[in-house]
Amino acid sequence: GAGVSQTPSNKVTEKGKYVELRCDPISGHTALYWYRQSLGQGPEFLIYFQGTGAADDSGLPNDRFFAVRPEGSVSTLKIQRTERGDSAVYLCASSLTSGSGGNEQFFGPGTRLTVL
Amino acid sequence: AQSVTQLGSHVSVSEGALVLLRCNYSSSVPPYLFWYVQYPNQGLQLLLKYTTGATLVKGINGFEAEFKKSETSFHLTKPSAHMSDAAEYFCAVSYDNQGGKLIFGQGTELSVKP
Repeated sequence: GAGVSQTPSNKVTEKGKYVELRCDPISGHTALYWYRQSLGQGPEFLIYFQGTGAADDSGLPNDRFFAVRPEGSVSTLKIQRTERGDSAVYLCASSLTSGSGGNEQFFGPGTRLTVL
Repeated sequence: AQSVTQLGSHVSVSEGALVLLRCNYSSSVPPYLFWYVQYPNQGLQLLLKYTTGATLVKGINGFEAEFKKSETSFHLTKPSAHMSDAAEYFCAVSYDNQGGKLIFGQGTELSVKP
């Protein structure tokens, strides 16, 4: 079956611009996670959704970052007034539920964001 | 604070040699433990995980890992390296009271020499 997909695969923008990154999770997965991976580092948690609601957004670095999941499926990560330090690969993952910490998360290929 | 440490950002082995990638976690309660692999230009793929039960866990592609609570470790091993094992490997932990979010180590790049 189809895995997690993310669009675009690459995004180049200028400092100060607004960007949207999209994630399509595996059908039927209620939990959706966003991570950010900087060069040479492991992924860092940003936010996760259980259904439509953001259950934990403690990883968002500041109020320029926002994410939504209005229908409990597709999610969009939005970054306002982009800065060069936002350049990274943004990863999305989904799992059947977030009820147990032991559930496997399935990752998408990521969106590589470059802010010039 | 909860954290994951992977000793060695780069590990190089010869084809056929033992692979050992080290992972230690820091937390007051035992977590769920994961190893993910990332091939170039691909997404993260789960190799194996420990949740409960037997502390020696077998995963895909001949990899295994052993949870040692007393050492707060979850080292990844493979008896004989193959060229196709060259990739970035990430150790991660999660906890029941945190919605399953993963805390990753910084990663270890494995190179396999012919």
